[in-house]
Amino acid sequence: EAQVTQNPRYLITVTGKKLTVTCSQNMNHEYMSWYRQDPGLGLRQIYYSMNVEVTDKGDVPEGYKVSRKEKRNFPLILESPSPNQTSLYFCASSPRGQLGTEAFFGQGTRLTVV
Amino acid sequence: QKEVEQNSGPLSVPEGAIASLNCTYSDRGSQSFFWYRQYSGKSPELIMFIYSNGDKEDGRFTAQLNKASQYVSLLIRDSQPSDSATYLCAVIIIFYGNNRLAFGKGNQVVVIP
Repeated sequence: EAQVTQNPRYLITVTGKKLTVTCSQNMNHEYMSWYRQDPGLGLRQIYYSMNVEVTDKGDVPEGYKVSRKEKRNFPLILESPSPNQTSLYFCASSPRGQLGTEAFFGQGTRLTVV
Repeated sequence: QKEVEQNSGPLSVPEGAIASLNCTYSDRGSQSFFWYRQYSGKSPELIMFIYSNGDKEDGRFTAQLNKASQYVSLLIRDSQPSDSATYLCAVIIIFYGNNRLAFGKGNQVVVIP
């Protein structure tokens, strides 16, 4: 089954404790991205990746890191989480360079930083 | 100007009525447009894609694209309570030969039985 898998689905952590949210897709998509979603602010892109070893900042990259060492995985790293990073996070993937192709979303990760 | 704007507040419609949503975009070079539906706490799911000017119909959903005016709309006919969700407009932004998907903030639709 074609899918994007995020883990964990729910996470409560403390300020400053490094964490990683994993994202994996099995559709051989080149393009992957991370979004956070907050009430009233919609989906905001954090980072995206056009292909392996190619990443770029989105609209709200501060406080986040990503890596793309292999095509299927695109982890999101919070080196020192803060309460303002409490949010619902989505990973998405799509084929690169093809007009009209949809983005496939993971199930979401609800992160709470206390 | 934001890349994709959805300015309407929550939309309440009676069951069976037509819900109308609008979205404007800033990049004249954009060619691909999407409508996603998102239930509370769930991931967005694609409901409509439109590429060329005019209308595209899929069941009770119709997407309308006007490139000259840079807006895309979504009509939901015979609205059902199950249509109550947030609807996100998305546009492929092309820059330096690469594509990036930009989302609007979304419009909440509430269908009243």
